[in-house]
Amino acid sequence: SQKIEQNSEALNIQEGKTATLTCNYTNYSPAYLQWYRQDPGRGPVFLLLIRENEKEKRKERLKVTFDTTLKQSLFHITASQPADSATYLCALNNNAGNMLTFGGGTRLMVKP
Amino acid sequence: GAVVSQHPSWVICKSGTSVKIECRSLDFQATTMFWYRQFPKQSLMLMATSNEGSKATYEQGVEKDKFLINHASLTLSTLTVTSAHPEDSSFYICSAPLTTGGNQPQHFGDGTRLSIL
Repeated sequence: SQKIEQNSEALNIQEGKTATLTCNYTNYSPAYLQWYRQDPGRGPVFLLLIRENEKEKRKERLKVTFDTTLKQSLFHITASQPADSATYLCALNNNAGNMLTFGGGTRLMVKP
Repeated sequence: GAVVSQHPSWVICKSGTSVKIECRSLDFQATTMFWYRQFPKQSLMLMATSNEGSKATYEQGVEKDKFLINHASLTLSTLTVTSAHPEDSSFYICSAPLTTGGNQPQHFGDGTRLSIL
């Protein structure tokens, strides 16, 4: 069966450190993978999109990698801040349309 | 600023009531919108794809007669939960891609918290 797995346990890190979140998938062949941020009681906010032929993508303090052999994406936040505390969701398209399937999300807590 | 507006943000009503949720795209046209449901501490589950001017496409296990979707204009999709019961209580979120073409980022509304007593 198809699965998108993110660590369901909360990730607690100290301010200033790099946070690394993992997204693994099985029985998908996505052309794209996306990462979103969701705050409590709010809708997700788009962060980054990475294509299957891109190994790495960066945006300010954010970095995403995409390994189609391992079927894994890593999401990094460098110099983390308490304001980065949120749930981070990975999502992928399994076809050429815009329909997304989401992972369960990982909650990040950055402590001052 | 927000590009997708969802209304209302929360609803509390009695069992058996029908509830309508609106999703509007602001400053852009959305021929396709998506409706999701999210239970506490779980991820977003796609319920249906709303298509302007045609019938919605529902995901497996989602009752189309229970969750009525209307996408009558390029900027508005509505989800009506008919005869809602406590098990329908959830967080309902809509989204739309900002541009046409596949594999686009989604812009999400801020969700509607539905509580059925």
